[in-house]
Amino acid sequence: QQQVKQSPQSLIVQKGGISIINCAYENTAFDYFPWYQQFPGKGPALLIAIRPDVSEKKEGRFTISFNKSAKQFSLHIMDSQPGDSATYFCAAFDYTGKLIFGQGTTLQVKP
Amino acid sequence: GAVVSQHPSRVICKSGTSVKIECRSLDFQATTMFWYRQFPKQSLMLMATSNEGSKATYEQGVEKDKFLINHASLTLSTLTVTSAHPEDSSFYICSAWEAKADTEQFFGPGTRLTVL
Repeated sequence: QQQVKQSPQSLIVQKGGISIINCAYENTAFDYFPWYQQFPGKGPALLIAIRPDVSEKKEGRFTISFNKSAKQFSLHIMDSQPGDSATYFCAAFDYTGKLIFGQGTTLQVKP
Repeated sequence: GAVVSQHPSRVICKSGTSVKIECRSLDFQATTMFWYRQFPKQSLMLMATSNEGSKATYEQGVEKDKFLINHASLTLSTLTVTSAHPEDSSFYICSAWEAKADTEQFFGPGTRLTVL
């Protein structure tokens, strides 16, 4: 019940293309769903986050789509750039402050 | 966003020695700090939750006597890896959270521990 399942494990996209990463969760007590971007040797940095009362949130080229009934959410990176090449983690957050991370997706954007 | 620092950023030690890693929230008071471990090409695994002034809560499978956590103030938590062994080599990341403000967790830059 505490798991967050993320797919795909790795993704290769051409520059300018759309990168899509999916996550699913089981625990309905989760109430905040952030996405993190991590570069090698660095800590994760918050990219964008959504609460379950909203179905979509957009910030620049990054959009989260949230389907509460299906318990799924996804990250869309529009106009992907080589600088977006990194590992992306979805996560789910409960009222205790604990973050449960997905397995991660390594994104490579080819020039 | 808020800034969280970790020191050292990288440490190499001999097997059997102890290593202390500091995590500081620089511009806000963190009621809770979390410690994660990340092995190469894997996700972050929560090790323990640390509340200021109280004992840390460890996740299942994490040895509390091996990974000593102290959260003496609202801006500082320390993780001490005692009697380190090569299998303890990993990337250790802390995060800080201010529960009252219902804000996100802010992550430190991580500490790379290599045990020879």
